[in-house]
Amino acid sequence: KQEVTQIPAALSVPEGENLVLNCSFTDSAIYNLQWFRQDPGKGLTSLLLIQSSQREQTSGRLNASLDKSSGRSTLYIAASQPGDSATYLCAVEGGSYIPTFGRGTSLIVHP
Amino acid sequence: KAGVTQTPRYLIKTRGQQVTLSCSPISGHRSVSWYQQTPGQGLQFLFEYFSETQRNKGNFPGRFSGRQFSNSRSEMNVSTLELGDSALYLCASSLVGTGVNTEAFFGQGTRLTVV
Repeated sequence: KQEVTQIPAALSVPEGENLVLNCSFTDSAIYNLQWFRQDPGKGLTSLLLIQSSQREQTSGRLNASLDKSSGRSTLYIAASQPGDSATYLCAVEGGSYIPTFGRGTSLIVHP
Repeated sequence: KAGVTQTPRYLIKTRGQQVTLSCSPISGHRSVSWYQQTPGQGLQFLFEYFSETQRNKGNFPGRFSGRQFSNSRSEMNVSTLELGDSALYLCASSLVGTGVNTEAFFGQGTRLTVV
């Protein structure tokens, strides 16, 4: 059974810092990994989708990498802003086609 | 274009009742997936519908069921509600569904409280 772990569970940083959020998964036989952002009480917004054949994806200040062999992905946020405050979730899809989500990293960026 | 719409946004029900939640996907999307999110268990996959057929199912009891209509709109039903069913229920739509590397778009969710 796939298990997804996200570290740290919570993070509070001053504005302007570069951040690294970690996601690890137990079964490396995945089709893709996706990073999401969730604001309190709201739905999820897809940030980056990395297919199993890819090593990284970039969108603006966000960069996500994938290392299937070690079962790890990192989300790098450059020059963090207060508007980045949210919970960040990663999800992997494997052979069962059932996505498995991590518990998320709760990020607060203070001015 | 319009996003994924879930109705109602908030719902309060009594134990033992049943409830139906609705999800309208993005126009052109044929896959709708449902998720339950609770503080204790996190985000868990319920089921996925594609072209009116249930294609995948998570590990939830039979009290949780769903269906999809020909216009891709989907409903989720929970019968004999329990206190533990209190959660944020999210639906997501995508062009062709899970396992094929397509981006999923989520609705705002329905907050269900069972008292």
